[in-house]
Amino acid sequence: DAGITQSPRHKVTETGTPVTLRCHQTENHRYMYWYRQDPGHGLRLIHYSYGVKDTDKGEVSDGYSVSRSKTEDFLLTLESATSSQTSVYFCAISPRGDTGELFFGEGSRLTVL
Amino acid sequence: GENVEQHPSTLSVQEGDSAVIKCTYSDSASNYFPWYKQELGKGPQLIIDIRSNVGEKKDQRIAVTLNKTAKHFSLHITETQPEDSAVYFCAARPFYSGGGADGLTFGKGTHLIIQP
Repeated sequence: DAGITQSPRHKVTETGTPVTLRCHQTENHRYMYWYRQDPGHGLRLIHYSYGVKDTDKGEVSDGYSVSRSKTEDFLLTLESATSSQTSVYFCAISPRGDTGELFFGEGSRLTVL
Repeated sequence: GENVEQHPSTLSVQEGDSAVIKCTYSDSASNYFPWYKQELGKGPQLIIDIRSNVGEKKDQRIAVTLNKTAKHFSLHITETQPEDSAVYFCAARPFYSGGGADGLTFGKGTHLIIQP
């Protein structure tokens, strides 16, 4: 158990509303990531963080922002949700930054109507 | 950037038979190749990985082989069991990615079905 908790696990919202997904880790790891998983696309990196207030964009960052004010929390925000952002979102940590090994959370299923 | 192709998208095998999933990558600078298993309703979990200085790695019933010249790597599962049913993802990461897993590129996944 990598000590990763995602919340909420399921959310249904309407187009145009803001949404924030939270990832909480108990292991004090430096590296944290947000991925989205869609049928036919596999796992795609949205944003990542190398530490408090140190974040960067991934492959599919448009429409998303992140914040990391504490080591243990990494927040993903959809400022104005669109139907194309309906997906399953996974948070991950990398205990050893040099290997790229990832430990994933259980996922947050978001439906935008 | 790196591009990872994974085949097949769905694989059905009889319990007890072997299963092979193949991936190709485009960036010759990639040197780390993990495989993840995702069970229904859960997050992916690392099951085995290989680095470019090794041609093969085994862990009980699973093995991974790497052909750097052809830029492809494969996951082999022998004596398949019902609990092997899952979606499997391959990935590749270039050495110049530096620290962290942000340089990791995933394949689109293979749904492995073990028939009783």
